[in-house]
Amino acid sequence: DAGVIQSPRHEVTEMGQEVTLRCKPISGHNSLFWYRQTMMRGLELLIYFNNNVPIDDSGMPEDRFSAKMPNASFSTLKIQPSEPRDSAVYFCASSLSQKTEQYFGPGTRLTVT
Amino acid sequence: GESVGLHLPTLSVQEGDNSIINCAYSNSASDYFIWYKQESGKGPQFIIDIRSNMDKRQGQRVTVLLNKTVKHLSLQIAATQPGDSAVYFCAEFNQGGKLIFGQGTELSVKP
Repeated sequence: DAGVIQSPRHEVTEMGQEVTLRCKPISGHNSLFWYRQTMMRGLELLIYFNNNVPIDDSGMPEDRFSAKMPNASFSTLKIQPSEPRDSAVYFCASSLSQKTEQYFGPGTRLTVT
Repeated sequence: GESVGLHLPTLSVQEGDNSIINCAYSNSASDYFIWYKQESGKGPQFIIDIRSNMDKRQGQRVTVLLNKTVKHLSLQIAATQPGDSAVYFCAEFNQGGKLIFGQGTELSVKP
């Protein structure tokens, strides 16, 4: 198995631009999670899906952030418009079900200038 | 509020020694805990987990101990190797089913 796949691995963009991060979970996993990691705040859960349905988006910082999961093998996290404070590493993780071990992708390092 | 925290942000050990990384959690109702290892530039990697009906679980060179009385978790790494150098996170599932991560401990292995 290839594990969780994320793209791009690095993204540098200017303030105000739209950013789309992509994730392919492990085949057969029914739960998908988006996290953000910064030095100041550590690993924070942004949103998670069970069977492609968003369950809890209370961690999404504000309306500029949105996430979709159109099918079991693909999810996106979009930031529009992006701001410098959004600079962080964004991880996608998947698990067989909500309360089982989660497997993380390699992350997308986002820099907003 | 709920929190999972590590008191020692850094730990330095000699190669071949045993390492012990500690973690305190605040929610006495938590029933499932996971340890993750994160190497520089990579995502967190699952190491070992433990449920609250156990107080000890062993893997390959790693042991997790759970003390529910004092809400304490530890990760023991036997015969620490340079490849063990990383940041280690404990994480607990809260009552809402979310995985809450601690701040992490950086383990540095000296050759």
